[in-house]
Amino acid sequence: GAVVSQHPSRVICKSGTSVKIECRSLDFQATTMFWYRQFPKQSLMLMATSNEGSKATYEQGVEKDKFLINHASLTLSTLTVTSAHPEDSSFYICSARGGGGTSYEQYFGPGTRLTVT
Amino acid sequence: GQNIDQPTEMTATEGAIVQINCTYQTSGFNGLFWYQQHAGEAPTFLSYNVLDGLEEKGRFSSFLSRSKGYSYLLLKELQMKDSASYLCAVRERRKLSFGAGTTVTVRA
Repeated sequence: GAVVSQHPSRVICKSGTSVKIECRSLDFQATTMFWYRQFPKQSLMLMATSNEGSKATYEQGVEKDKFLINHASLTLSTLTVTSAHPEDSSFYICSARGGGGTSYEQYFGPGTRLTVT
Repeated sequence: GQNIDQPTEMTATEGAIVQINCTYQTSGFNGLFWYQQHAGEAPTFLSYNVLDGLEEKGRFSSFLSRSKGYSYLLLKELQMKDSASYLCAVRERRKLSFGAGTTVTVRA
């Protein structure tokens, strides 16, 4: 199956700083990328959807100025958590979907564990 | 949006069969997915149903009834490595939303 990578896998930052998480589709072109957040023992919650070259669409309740998403190419999307606070500590997972073949399927990255101290 | 309901926990014995039910409500159904997620890892794709009926893939099968808003995932010949969380996800138009997940514990 298709491979999606995320970097870093774990990050610890101080409150008030910004953190950038990268999501890459390694062997296919991702026309659409999704960013999810998962708190312990809870399900994945969609934060935003981004299409290459256009602005991301944020879900209700997600602050677009706090969670900056850039989908500059068909293989790379970044999520920047600005002015992070302890309540932003979570598991962030990206997902990518290609335009052809089994385009119904979303491939998930391995996730990034963010801890804000 | 969707209301996706699935049981919180299930326990079964190694070699047995377990069926995880999922009910949903949506206005623009565009497919139902099942994912497996081990603790601290990202979900991995198990199955996809968009038409009514049963899809079989090895030890895992998934069933869908669109008129009833109902799906189940059937795990056969359970193995210890099948202990994980199983997520039911519904696509409404282009958006995929997840249920809270069912934690399956396989005991020897």
